[in-house]
Amino acid sequence: DAKTTQPPSMDCAEGRAANLPCNHSTISGNEYVYWYRQIHSQGPQYIIHGLKNNETNEMASLIITEDRKSSTLILPHATLRDTAVYYCIVRALGANSKLTFGKGITLSVRP
Amino acid sequence: DGGITQSPKYLFRKEGQNVTLSCEQNLNHDAMYWYRQDPGQGLRLIYYSQIVNDFQKGDIAEGYSVSREKKESFPLTVTSAQKNPTAFYLCASSPRHLIAGELFFGEGSRLTVL
Repeated sequence: DAKTTQPPSMDCAEGRAANLPCNHSTISGNEYVYWYRQIHSQGPQYIIHGLKNNETNEMASLIITEDRKSSTLILPHATLRDTAVYYCIVRALGANSKLTFGKGITLSVRP
Repeated sequence: DGGITQSPKYLFRKEGQNVTLSCEQNLNHDAMYWYRQDPGQGLRLIYYSQIVNDFQKGDIAEGYSVSREKKESFPLTVTSAQKNPTAFYLCASSPRHLIAGELFFGEGSRLTVL
């Protein structure tokens, strides 16, 4: 599986958009980009995933660059409850593919 | 409600003792997973099972054992051979093994070895 690079931490003000970057320069054509988040001492929660096109759901938007070497998770109106560790993961489909979680990025939303 | 239930939430054991962590899901998912998380670290895959009566080692299987006798259950045994067992253990499931969709996680079990 391709590896990802995320800054260790960032913060944003409550009510503002939080833009979380992720680099995956060695991503292969058949690998998806997944985002999960983990609130302290809980199990991770799926947020969104995509292959090439930008994706949006009720939680967030995922913007993938045209060359697919990086992506940005956007939380449009961050709240204090969005404070968590966010994991960016790339993986291919298939029975031998494993979902590998790195250290992620710690997002702190300030009042 | 459908979901994944891990028990116990907190567990203490003495060195040299085996301990079994329970993971039950009522989502009718085929695949189940065990991860380990150490403070400030990401998740590392211990074992996974794509179907009943079958399982594969993940990245850090040494000192652990699993069974998958029922679709709903995937217990993890932390054996005395695991040199540093104190950690946060997370169980997850998915409809099929990473074919599509996401992993659903339980709330975790925190094991402390005294």
